[in-house]
Amino acid sequence: EIVLTQSPATLSLSPGERATLSCRASQSVNNYLAWYQQKPGQAPRLLIYDASNRATGIAARFSGSGSGTDFTLTISSLEPEDFAVYYCQQRSNWPPGTFGGGTKVEIK
Amino acid sequence: EVQLVQSGAEVKQPGATVKISCKVSGYTFTDYYMHWVQQAPGKGLEWMGLVDPEDGEIVYAEKFQGRVTITADTSTDTAYMELGSLRSEDTAVYYCAALGIAATGDAFDIWGQGTMVTVSS
Repeated sequence: EIVLTQSPATLSLSPGERATLSCRASQSVNNYLAWYQQKPGQAPRLLIYDASNRATGIAARFSGSGSGTDFTLTISSLEPEDFAVYYCQQRSNWPPGTFGGGTKVEIK
Repeated sequence: EVQLVQSGAEVKQPGATVKISCKVSGYTFTDYYMHWVQQAPGKGLEWMGLVDPEDGEIVYAEKFQGRVTITADTSTDTAYMELGSLRSEDTAVYYCAALGIAATGDAFDIWGQGTMVTVSS
């Protein structure tokens, strides 16, 4: 099974700052990578799919890039509601569905 | 409205089996894989497996192989996840999620509300 490694585990930033989150796969997932946001007590919410496509209704400050084994989620200017945990998920190799360990974006 | 409605919270003893249901509405059940995800308190998302409701094909994560059974009933548009030999580490919220790409090319990404399972003697 593919292993996804996210870094850093925690990112301490202030509102208005830029957040850069990384996800590395143990083998190529082509561009079949998704990013989710999760807040306490809520189900995950899809932000990005196929590495760089924003899901419906997702703000333009969220962007995804990368292919193969290295991917990045960028939040261009953090809003108060963006402080949450972010997960990557691969949907390439069978079985699809593996998640990374998550990155917590916290208020500095 | 597209939604997945899961069964209610469960309390089980160690060694028991739990079965959670996930009722689909608002879309064609057979169009998308149904995934199951575990989240222990304060921990990350753990993918457990999936079922293709169209043909019944099932895949399990290695971690849960042998203890989990995922099924899909197309007569009632309901998916099920059964986890056996429960231990304290299985105390978690369990989510079903219908994931895929719609014919429009947009992502189809619908999650249930989660079911809390507590394993305790």
